[in-house]
Amino acid sequence: EPEVTQTPSHQVTQMGQEVILRCVPISNHLYFYWYRQILGQKVEFLVSFYNNEISEKSEIFDDQFSVERPDGSNFTLKIRSTKLEDSAMYFCASSDSGEAYNGYEQYFGPGTRLTVT
Amino acid sequence: KQEVTQIPAALSVPEGENLVLNCSFTDSAIYNLQWFRQDPGKGLTSLLLIQSSQREQTSGRLNASLDKSSGRSTLYIAASQPGDSATYLCAVRLNYGQNFVFGPGTRLSVLP
Repeated sequence: EPEVTQTPSHQVTQMGQEVILRCVPISNHLYFYWYRQILGQKVEFLVSFYNNEISEKSEIFDDQFSVERPDGSNFTLKIRSTKLEDSAMYFCASSDSGEAYNGYEQYFGPGTRLTVT
Repeated sequence: KQEVTQIPAALSVPEGENLVLNCSFTDSAIYNLQWFRQDPGKGLTSLLLIQSSQREQTSGRLNASLDKSSGRSTLYIAASQPGDSATYLCAVRLNYGQNFVFGPGTRLSVLP
């Protein structure tokens, strides 16, 4: 069964460093998302991406964050200068066009645990 | 702003019991609602998706219902098993957006 994959599974970085989290969405999906979950807290939406541009973003997704689909398969989240409070599990998700009966069902990857020291 | 709550926060039941998890949302203008399972330190596994025009969905021992007008959804788990132990998350997608708003989850423990 197709699945969303994410790399790395765990990333440790020092405050102020840039990190890139990578995701490979399900191949025929058109919508891509990043969410994060700080330990013990709710899953929070960061950004959605469609047709090679950001379609929605939350107030968390400030100028330190950017997303890119550099080729036909990868979807990346870059944090330019990490802060301690960026430590969280970051989830990538993808969904289809919405025309099927289960339209817009989001499939999540296993997550990347980011630890900022 | 859409708020999603889940009751109870935690639940512990003996194996074999039927149980109900509750999800409430404040804005009834939803596009769909999705129930997920999360194991400790792991990702989210989709369990059931209910479109706003549907009243319920079933998959195996799981049944999810949706009452959009009252802003509620329930997840019914029949004949619970220790392997069902996990956190169950409810998430709603609004008509005018693409992202999900998640509830805080219900942490379920099924005791052998």
